[in-house]
Amino acid sequence: NAGVTQTPKFQVLKTGQSMTLQCAQDMNHNSMYWYRQDPGMGLRLIYYSASEGTTDKGEVPNGYNVSRLNKREFSLRLESAAPSQTSVYFCASKGGPIYEQYFGPGTRLTVT
Amino acid sequence: GEDVEQSLFLSVREGDSSVINCTYTDSSSTYLYWYKQEPGAGLQLLTYIFSNMDMKQDQRLTVLLNKKDKHLSLRIADTQTGDSAIYFCAETMTMVANDYKLSFGAGTTVTVRA
Repeated sequence: NAGVTQTPKFQVLKTGQSMTLQCAQDMNHNSMYWYRQDPGMGLRLIYYSASEGTTDKGEVPNGYNVSRLNKREFSLRLESAAPSQTSVYFCASKGGPIYEQYFGPGTRLTVT
Repeated sequence: GEDVEQSLFLSVREGDSSVINCTYTDSSSTYLYWYKQEPGAGLQLLTYIFSNMDMKQDQRLTVLLNKKDKHLSLRIADTQTGDSAIYFCAETMTMVANDYKLSFGAGTTVTVRA
C-alpha cells in the first residue's frame, strides 16, 4: 500500500515550457486535491476533484489545468510555466472516518 | 491559508514543553487538525480534535479547543529533537454538499535546541 505517490520529485523548467505533474493513490478515495506550498503562506488549494469525472477550481487555479484520469490518478498541468509558479506541489486524497487528507511527498518545481 | 493564523517560529529547549497556537474563522468546522511536515517531506496527520470536544490527549500531545474564541493549541510535552518540523493547523471548510476543503495556516517552524 503505497498511499499517495507523485512524480517527478524535482523539476526545473524554463519560462514558457509546459509539464504535467502526476499523482496516484491506491486507497480507493473519491476526493483528490492539488496544493502549492510557498514560504510563509501555508498550503493553498489549486484544484480538487470530489469524484472521478469531476474537477473544480480552488483558491489559486490560474495557470493550471487538471485531469482526473480515473479514480486513482489526478494530474496537474502547467501549460506555459512562469517564475511565479516556482513552488512545492502536493497532491492529497481524502478518506477515512475523520476525513483525513493523505499527502504525497511533493514535487519541487523551479521555473527560471 | 488566510482564514487560519498561527505564529511562524518557535524555539524550544529539549525536554521542555512546546505550545503552538492557532486561530481559525469557520465556527462550523467539524474537525480541526494538526499536521506535521518534516524537512523535504509531505504533511502527515499528527492529531485532530472533533468540534464538540474541549481537549484531546494522545501520549505527549495535548490539543485544546476554545470554540468561543476560535482558538486551537497543540502542546508537545518533553520535546525531543525529532519534534523539529513545521506544524500546520487546519480547519474544514465546506465547499459543496458532501465535500469540504482544508484551510491551512502558514505553519509554525519548531526548532528544538539542546
